[in-house]
Amino acid sequence: GENVEQHPSTLSVQEGDSAVIKCTYSDSASNYFPWYKQELGKRPQLIIDIRSNVGEKKDQRIAVTLNKTAKHFSLHITETQPEDSAVYFCAASNGADGLTFGKGTHLIIQP
Amino acid sequence: DAGVIQSPRHEVTEMGQEVTLRCKPISGHNSLFWYRQTMMRGLELLIYFNNNVPIDDSGMPEDRFSAKMPNASFSTLKIQPSEPRDSAVYFCASSLGTWDEQYFGPGTRLTVT
Repeated sequence: GENVEQHPSTLSVQEGDSAVIKCTYSDSASNYFPWYKQELGKRPQLIIDIRSNVGEKKDQRIAVTLNKTAKHFSLHITETQPEDSAVYFCAASNGADGLTFGKGTHLIIQP
Repeated sequence: DAGVIQSPRHEVTEMGQEVTLRCKPISGHNSLFWYRQTMMRGLELLIYFNNNVPIDDSGMPEDRFSAKMPNASFSTLKIQPSEPRDSAVYFCASSLGTWDEQYFGPGTRLTVT
């Protein structure tokens, strides 16, 4: 089955700086890569996703890049703000086996 | 739409008891997923359904766990008998299709003593 590795497990950045979270996956058939944000005590919520026919996708301060050859994808958050503090999960799916999630990255925005 | 509804929100039970978690997906969604979240293991997919049919239950830990979806608007996850290591937050999520955005419910926090 699919295996998703996510790094780092904790990331602390100064407010206004950029944050990058990286994930690798093992199943070359995976073609859907969503990112979820989970605030403390809340449910995970989708913030951005990318499919394998696209190399990059942006939505305001958030962007995701995908390298299918290397089997890795990354989340980029620019101009970080206090409300960006949360746990971020990457995930991968080949459409048949459901989503496999990474272990999560605890993003801390320092004022 | 009220979103994905889960009940109960909290459940405390003793080891050996049967636990039933309930989920109502968003109307019109064809896929339903059950996840378990713990600090140690993260967010794990237990089972998912497409059009009420179980597609992948490889994540179900053992025979003590079972899930049903008798109709498009209701699903249950049952643990019998429960054990302390089952303590976790259990999320239900639904989506239009397998590859579409999944909307998570508020979760059920299960504590087995």
